[in-house]
Amino acid sequence: AQKVTQAQTEISVVEKEDVTLDCVYETRDTTYYLFWYKQPPSGELVFLIRRNSFDEQNEISGRYSWNFQKSTSSFNFTITASQVVDSAVYFCALSRGGTSYGKLTFGQGTILTVHP
Amino acid sequence: GAVVSQHPSRVICKSGTSVKIECRSLDFQATTMFWYRQFPKQSLMLMATSNEGSKATYEQGVEKDKFLINHASLTLSTLTVTSAHPEDSSFYICSNSGDEQFFGPGTRLTVL
Repeated sequence: AQKVTQAQTEISVVEKEDVTLDCVYETRDTTYYLFWYKQPPSGELVFLIRRNSFDEQNEISGRYSWNFQKSTSSFNFTITASQVVDSAVYFCALSRGGTSYGKLTFGQGTILTVHP
Repeated sequence: GAVVSQHPSRVICKSGTSVKIECRSLDFQATTMFWYRQFPKQSLMLMATSNEGSKATYEQGVEKDKFLINHASLTLSTLTVTSAHPEDSSFYICSNSGDEQFFGPGTRLTVL
């Protein structure tokens, strides 16, 4: 069975602080995919990143960066110089590969509040 | 722009009625789409996989007779909540099955 754990239920920071959202996953598959989504108050899920299990390179996109470590089964997400607009619920998700690709197992989500 | 649309965005209905939610893929063909449910302040749970031209496959614990899925064309999947009850009130979201897994904007169902 697959599982995603986001241990941080809520995080509160002040604008311009850096913040890291943790994600730990469990799977027996060798091929799998990891995702991060942002869910603002409107409810719509915004795709942020997808990573496959064979690519452990860290990724940076503007103020966002991701650290994928298979040794610890973690896929952490860091926002640098946070802004009020970053306030949202962030979900980490896991998908199997092959014919089961796309069936996402989500973590519980982390509510991020950035104060001005 | 959005690649997946949903309609309606909000619906309020009386207990015992049926509600149909549409999920459309825009500018691409989707042989497979997924339906998720999200209760307030909770995570998303996969309900079923919608397959164009064939029966949907449901996740364990999801009543297929209650949540009817139809995927009659390559751009449209529908979820019908039959004989809705207050406990069916939730946020229903569909997604495509492409590399980036885009989600629709969601449908908030409230059953009175």
